Amino acid sequence: DTEVTQTPKHLVMGMTNKKSLKCEQHMGHRAMYWYKQKAKKPPELMFVYSYEKLSINESVPSRFSPECPNSSLLNLHLHALQPEDSALYLCASSQGEAGDTQYFGPGTRLTVL
Amino acid sequence: RKEVEQDPGPFNVPEGATVAFNCTYSNSASQSFFWYRQDCRKEPKLLMSVYSSGNEDGRFTAQLNRASQYISLLIRDSKLSDSATYLCVLGGSGNTGKLIFGQGTTLQVKP
Repeated sequence: DTEVTQTPKHLVMGMTNKKSLKCEQHMGHRAMYWYKQKAKKPPELMFVYSYEKLSINESVPSRFSPECPNSSLLNLHLHALQPEDSALYLCASSQGEAGDTQYFGPGTRLTVL
Repeated sequence: RKEVEQDPGPFNVPEGATVAFNCTYSNSASQSFFWYRQDCRKEPKLLMSVYSSGNEDGRFTAQLNRASQYISLLIRDSKLSDSATYLCVLGGSGNTGKLIFGQGTTLQVKP
């Protein structure tokens, strides 16, 4: 089973809203990731959690706030987003961190009005 | 120079054709290599890992040439369902989980 689940599938929010994206995996993976993907571009890494600790923040604006409540869950809290933040947000997980295969969830398609 | 370079295509081929994609990379310290497939508006899915000895999975063959720093993917007997974007992906060097993505190569298989 290589399943990573994400909710919601679609999200429309205004610039003053606060919302959260959720990601879950039950493969016992110890590393989890958030990516942002714009149309016709490859995914861009935002955050890496390793053993529930934030290990990489790719200089992401503070209006995106990640949280890892436990080894199976990863959240991305959104606040005061801009229309240019509209994108597909992908969660991924891997067994460890260094060079391991990453498995992606189906993504949340976010539209900021 | 980009860390990973791919021809974006599109490659338009008839069903049954054999098609090959190449990808070059600049960091000789890269340790792991992958091909992912991404359908329109879907997530990337692992197609295969790539090893120096080469590996084959059905109609798909991947090769890694460390000396020349390129990776290839060969698809034989193309199916309509092979139409997708193929992403060449490198595992970051060192202790980081950061993946380095190529821009992707688009394949359209026509009837």
